[in-house]
Amino acid sequence: DAGITQSPRYKITETGRQVTLMCHQTWSHSYMFWYRQDLGHGLRLIYYSAAADITDKGEVPDGYVVSRSKTENFPLTLESATRSQTSVYFCASSDTSSYNSPLHFGNGTRLTVT
Amino acid sequence: AQTVTQSQPEMSVQEAETVTLSCTYDTSESDYYLFWYKQPPSRQMILVIRQEAYKQQNATENRFSVNFQKAAKSFSLKISDSQLGDAAMYFCAYRSVGANSKLTFGKGITLSVRP
Repeated sequence: DAGITQSPRYKITETGRQVTLMCHQTWSHSYMFWYRQDLGHGLRLIYYSAAADITDKGEVPDGYVVSRSKTENFPLTLESATRSQTSVYFCASSDTSSYNSPLHFGNGTRLTVT
Repeated sequence: AQTVTQSQPEMSVQEAETVTLSCTYDTSESDYYLFWYKQPPSRQMILVIRQEAYKQQNATENRFSVNFQKAAKSFSLKISDSQLGDAAMYFCAYRSVGANSKLTFGKGITLSVRP
């Protein structure tokens, strides 16, 4: 099915562990984004990518790593998880035909760091 | 850097009435795009309406319309004939253009609809 898929949907991990959140889209969209959503902060941009092998920092990149070796995949890795990284994470994509094109969002991953 | 401000954390409206959600933004760019997204309890992000900065005409999508004031950097959302299904969190967002195009969100507003 066409769309954007995030996995896992829920994840509980311990402080200090490495965890990777997966994001896969089937539209071949050039742009992909990672946001985190926290109460009182809305959605904040972590990293984004304009194309394969091109990534850039967003508003809150510290503690996160991304890669984009293939257009359709954009994994987000927490190298050493901290409690402050407990959040809901959204992946999104959009094409470049127009900046008016909406972002297509995944269903989110709720991550809890204990 | 662009910023988006939604100063009202919560609002309430009676079913069938009209409500306006406020949003202001700060940018030095002349060309950009503005969006309103809805997030129901399911967590899904749903595009409600979008506006191109170069268009003076306000966008309209059925019961949803915007009041875009470019000089004032204001982008409010009006929901007419409010329905119970409109209850959700609403986010205003700004998108820059160019090689580093990205979407910047406000903090959101929780809208409740009273039957």
